Amino acid sequence: ETGVTQSPTHLIKTRGQQVTLRCSSQSGHNTVSWYQQALGQGPQFIFQYYREEENGRGNFPPRFSGLQFPNYSSELNVNALELDDSALYLCASSFDRGQFGEQYFGPGTRLTVT
Amino acid sequence: GESVGLHLPTLSVQEGDNSIINCAYSNSASDYFIWYKQESGKGPQFIIDIRSNMDKRQGQRVTVLLNKTVKHLSLQIAATQPGDSAVYFCAEQDAGGTSYGKLTFGQGTILTVHP
Repeated sequence: ETGVTQSPTHLIKTRGQQVTLRCSSQSGHNTVSWYQQALGQGPQFIFQYYREEENGRGNFPPRFSGLQFPNYSSELNVNALELDDSALYLCASSFDRGQFGEQYFGPGTRLTVT
Repeated sequence: GESVGLHLPTLSVQEGDNSIINCAYSNSASDYFIWYKQESGKGPQFIIDIRSNMDKRQGQRVTVLLNKTVKHLSLQIAATQPGDSAVYFCAEQDAGGTSYGKLTFGQGTILTVHP
């Protein structure tokens, strides 16, 4: 167990709706990165939050947004859901942006968009 | 663009055999590499990492080899056990070139260990 928790475990939404996913980072970590993992694929980097600010972003549209709170937990928000947003959403907790260092992944949230 | 890929999507071995999982990467600026294991219904689990100034690193039953000349990474698992059955991902990071620890993952190799 990594100490990184995510909620909810599973979620079903319909196209056009909005969703919020949550991640609690490991104690002592100040960085949370979010990844999208489609079925049969490797995780794809969405963005990273470091000390409550977005610190880097992958090739995802603006309807993917996030927050990081003073306790370093984080939220991923997705607006105007599309069918292709169906995936496992993973958060990874690390210290100081996770460069040259281990990133601890949570169990993920399985999002299904119908 | 940068990408990390695997030569073999599946690998089946007998319990006790040694396993070798291969990975090719294309971003010559990558300076940090990690192998992750992902079991069904779980997030990726860190196995071993290596920096670009090293060629080899050993852990408990695992060894990672890095060949920067041909941009190739491999994971060797000694005395493979049924509990090693999972999907294995290599990931790379341009840690020195960006201000954030973005990991770029390959597609994954499914390792199946038969008792």
